[in-house]
Amino acid sequence: DVKVTQSSRYLVKRTGEKVFLECVQDMDHENMFWYRQDPGLGLRLIYFSYDVKMKEKGDIPEGYSVSREKKERFSLILESASTNQTSMYLCASSLGDRSYNSPLHFGNGTRLTVT
Amino acid sequence: KQEVTQIPAALSVPEGENLVLNCSFTDSAIYNLQWFRQDPGKGLTSLLLIQSSQREQTSGRLNASLDKSSGRSTLYIAASQPGDSATYLCAVRGDDDKIIFGKGTRLHILP
Repeated sequence: DVKVTQSSRYLVKRTGEKVFLECVQDMDHENMFWYRQDPGLGLRLIYFSYDVKMKEKGDIPEGYSVSREKKERFSLILESASTNQTSMYLCASSLGDRSYNSPLHFGNGTRLTVT
Repeated sequence: KQEVTQIPAALSVPEGENLVLNCSFTDSAIYNLQWFRQDPGKGLTSLLLIQSSQREQTSGRLNASLDKSSGRSTLYIAASQPGDSATYLCAVRGDDDKIIFGKGTRLHILP
């Protein structure tokens, strides 16, 4: 079974702190994604990556950056956390097949609270 | 811009009933559609993926159908059980490589 592991289930940070959310997958997937999920807004794509050292902006990249130095690890960085970044963050991965028919696999999520 | 809608937002049905969850999308240029289940406070679990060339997929008591031309998918759950209570989300992957999610249907199975 595919396993996508997010390093923290719950995180509390102060406004202005630099925050790192880590995600590791163990199935040699090329594609990795970061979403945030908020009540009434659903899942929104922040950033995604199709290969090592490669990144693409999603729909809401402002205030975030990402790092993919190794194939199995995709990190989301909040350069200066703000209260409006309080949310559930979900990491996902999939194979990079040309047919685009590989399912997405999600981690358990990190609930981040910024105070 | 692709939009994915799931109606109703919430649904309660008695245990044992068969039920259908709906998903509609505005742009039919999709590669696939995927159904997920999410339990409270958890991540998403993949249930079924339907490729754009397929009409349906089945897994156990679940059957998902896809009508690309009309922009609709349904998830059929047979003989519902209390353990099926969860939020169900659909997501479409478009030819721009983005995966867009609906906001989900919160399902409650009454014992």
